[in-house]
Amino acid sequence: GEDVEQSLFLSVREGDSSVINCTYTDSSSTYLYWYKQEPGAGLQLLTYIFSNMDMKQDQRLTVLLNKKDKHLSLRIADTQTGDSAIYFCAEGFRSGGSYIPTFGRGTSLIVHP
Amino acid sequence: DAGVTQSPTHLIKTRGQQVTLRCSPKSGHDTVSWYQQALGQGPQFIFQYYEEEERQRGNFPDRFSGHQFPNYSSELNVNALLLGDSALYLCASSLGSGRDTQYFGPGTRLTVL
Repeated sequence: GEDVEQSLFLSVREGDSSVINCTYTDSSSTYLYWYKQEPGAGLQLLTYIFSNMDMKQDQRLTVLLNKKDKHLSLRIADTQTGDSAIYFCAEGFRSGGSYIPTFGRGTSLIVHP
Repeated sequence: DAGVTQSPTHLIKTRGQQVTLRCSPKSGHDTVSWYQQALGQGPQFIFQYYEEEERQRGNFPDRFSGHQFPNYSSELNVNALLLGDSALYLCASSLGSGRDTQYFGPGTRLTVL
């Protein structure tokens, strides 16, 4: 995970937008992912973006990719208390016929009323 | 349609012992990947199995080994356990290259005393 960096904590008020940022170092990355992990649970893939895209929107989620700066962000609109979780950024590149994601340490999102 | 299942949920072992963790992939998936997630860290890739063979391997010692069965289920074996092996072990399944969708199980929490 040392090649993918994220801030460790983010606190927002319910109803506000959350923006979680991530930087990565491998320019050969093909896919960039956002995963969500709730306490005691496995990882849930939220969304992913191909490296030749700038933006992807999926309901309340917007992913922005700045390939020049190797910067990826996840915006959650109208954040709810149920969005409280750890969010992992991951970069994936093709290796031996498959895409193996390399994860950051995760950003703990705390949503308070 | 059952998702990825793992057993056991929790496990306590002592140093030097051996452990076997099990994973059943999501229905229709043929590829299984294993990850180690230490406390406060992102998941680290251990290895991936496809067609009953290890296809990719991360930076883990030979004490970590695995197996995939004809029904695509998989086992992770760890020999000569160290205190540092204490972690959440996650299994993820995917289809073929798995470039966009890896489905994670809830994990097995291993504690080494």
